[in-house]
Amino acid sequence: AQSVTQLDSHVSVSEGTPVLLRCNYSSSYSPSLFWYVQHPNKGLQLLLKYTSAATLVKGINGFEAEFKKSETSFHLTKPSAHMSDAAEYFCVVTFLLGFQKLVFGTGTRLLVSP
Amino acid sequence: ETGVTQTPRHLVMGMTNKKSLKCEQHLGHNAMYWYKQSAKKPLELMFVYSLEERVENNSVPSRFSPECPNSSHLFLHLHTLQPEDSALYLCASSQAGTRGDEQFFGPGTRLTVL
Repeated sequence: AQSVTQLDSHVSVSEGTPVLLRCNYSSSYSPSLFWYVQHPNKGLQLLLKYTSAATLVKGINGFEAEFKKSETSFHLTKPSAHMSDAAEYFCVVTFLLGFQKLVFGTGTRLLVSP
Repeated sequence: ETGVTQTPRHLVMGMTNKKSLKCEQHLGHNAMYWYKQSAKKPLELMFVYSLEERVENNSVPSRFSPECPNSSHLFLHLHTLQPEDSALYLCASSQAGTRGDEQFFGPGTRLTVL
């Protein structure tokens, strides 16, 4: 079975400091993994994705994530937080069932203070 | 219009009303999805249409009835809903059968059932 655990429901950082959002996954297959971001009253936007190519994946807005198979992790990082990064972040494991099935984590709310 | 659009953005209805949510994608995709997003719960996949055929019905109550008249349009017909059905309903689209391809999400319809 495929599942995702986001270890923190809330993360608070100061503007200009690093961001770390943690995600562990469980998958019977070689997984594809995504990070999506959701700003208030908006739909979900893809930040980055891993599909078995390079294990360090760079995304939009300076975010990146590293796929670590030995640790079954796919943590999201950014060197320096910006106020506009405040949002909800979802780690997602995907697999193909004739269609792309997404299994979402419960989300991590990132709070950025000045 | 670009991407995935949803109307209405907000809907308030009584338990005896009948209403419909509309989703339109302008991306040339051949798969469309309905998700339910409730507070403090992971996104729940409700329905999947691939090539205009329903391929997934994730144990959704019959008071929710999807319709996919063509590959660009998806509807969710609502009748005799319950207050616990209040949530954000998200539509998404993707290219079916392609591993690792992202789903593109609309902004959602915020539904309140009184």
